Amino acid sequence: DAGVTQSPTHLIKTRGQQVTLRCSPKSGHDTVSWYQQALGQGPQFIFQYYEEEERQRGNFPDRFSGHQFPNYSSELNVNALLLGDSALYLCASSPRQGAKGELFFGEGSRLTVL
Amino acid sequence: EDQVTQSPEALRLQEGESSSLNCSYTVSGLRGLFWYRQDPGKGPEFLFTLYSAGEEKEKERLKATLTKKESFLHITAPKPEDSATYLCASYNFNKFYFGSGTKLNVKP
Repeated sequence: DAGVTQSPTHLIKTRGQQVTLRCSPKSGHDTVSWYQQALGQGPQFIFQYYEEEERQRGNFPDRFSGHQFPNYSSELNVNALLLGDSALYLCASSPRQGAKGELFFGEGSRLTVL
Repeated sequence: EDQVTQSPEALRLQEGESSSLNCSYTVSGLRGLFWYRQDPGKGPEFLFTLYSAGEEKEKERLKATLTKKESFLHITAPKPEDSATYLCASYNFNKFYFGSGTKLNVKP
């Protein structure tokens, strides 16, 4: 049973560019959340998707956008990259039905903005 | 504003030296308090969920407890493989609020 998978694992971009990160949830999960984790900090909630719609959003600007596909996989897009966007981006999945709040995390995508 | 604070930021223990990590929270309508373990370069791994004050959960050398304001992660006779960052998170209205974590280093 595959867990949460994310791609790419590492990437380097320059300021002003755009990036797309991808996530496949754990089998049987239909809800995907994205988190940003800066070095030495805890994960910060970006947004949550289920039924292909953004349901909750944290304190992140509109440069951060997402999408969920019918197969429950998800993308995180960040436009006009800033140096401060350098971080580990984590995808987490959970089941909507019978959810007890537990999140299953992927290994993350390490983004470096130069 | 909902907030989760962990202390200490870092903790160095000798193998076998028991200790506790603290997580204090100010969250309205708490639905759950979660503990995760995170190894360097990896995603967090679920450890425990606590739902009500007085609840305790155990797993190997770890025991998590919950009061109305705090949660503690007790580590009994730790081993070097317990070295990791331990994160706590509050769960409220489908949002998780994570603390900054306690980085634990257990020396043999």
